[in-house]
Amino acid sequence: DVVLTQSPLSLPVTLGQPASISCKSSQGLMYSDGDTYLYWFQQRPGQSPRRLIYKVSNRDSGVPDRFSGSGSGTDFTLKISRVEADDIGVYYCMQGPQWPPITFGQGTRLEIK
Amino acid sequence: QVELVESGGDVVQPGGSLRLSCSASGYRFSCCGMHWIRQAPGKGLEWVAVIWHDGSLTYHADSVKGRFTISRDDSKNTLYLQMNSLRVEDTAVYYCARDIGVVSPDLDLWGRGTLVTVSS
Repeated sequence: DVVLTQSPLSLPVTLGQPASISCKSSQGLMYSDGDTYLYWFQQRPGQSPRRLIYKVSNRDSGVPDRFSGSGSGTDFTLKISRVEADDIGVYYCMQGPQWPPITFGQGTRLEIK
Repeated sequence: QVELVESGGDVVQPGGSLRLSCSASGYRFSCCGMHWIRQAPGKGLEWVAVIWHDGSLTYHADSVKGRFTISRDDSKNTLYLQMNSLRVEDTAVYYCARDIGVVSPDLDLWGRGTLVTVSS
């Protein structure tokens, strides 16, 4: 199974400051069609997960442009340019091409300092 | 509006059974594959099972294989998860999710979840 390793697992950030979360895969996530299937989800406290980013760098509708995804191969990053209070929660990466099973990273808890 | 609503969660004893439902609305249910994903209290996300858009194929995680069965009834716009021989470690919030992917799973819509507690 593909293992996704996120770091850090806890991320205290001052409001207005940037934040960065890493997701490293044990196998490459590029499919034979040339696309790379790595996703990011946000789970706010008490809510279900919400897809933020698909195929590495594409923001979902309604996702602020403060959020950006990047990476290739086995190394991926989610960045928030200026953290707002609404961003508090847990962020998960998920891989697609090497399935089943679908696998998720352990999650990174973003909190405000 | 487009949404998924899970139901059926309950408190059940070890060895017991439960059937979860996920009702879809606001889109053509038969378009898409569907998944169950669970989250134990205070833990991360664990994929449980998938069913193809036409019901032709299913996969289950090793942790539930032989005990859980995913199914769908497109006439009722409903996804199911039959859970047998439940264990304490199956305690979790169970989410259903829509899969719009073509070559890879792409979970773009999630329900709010239903809580299953396995305890004596």
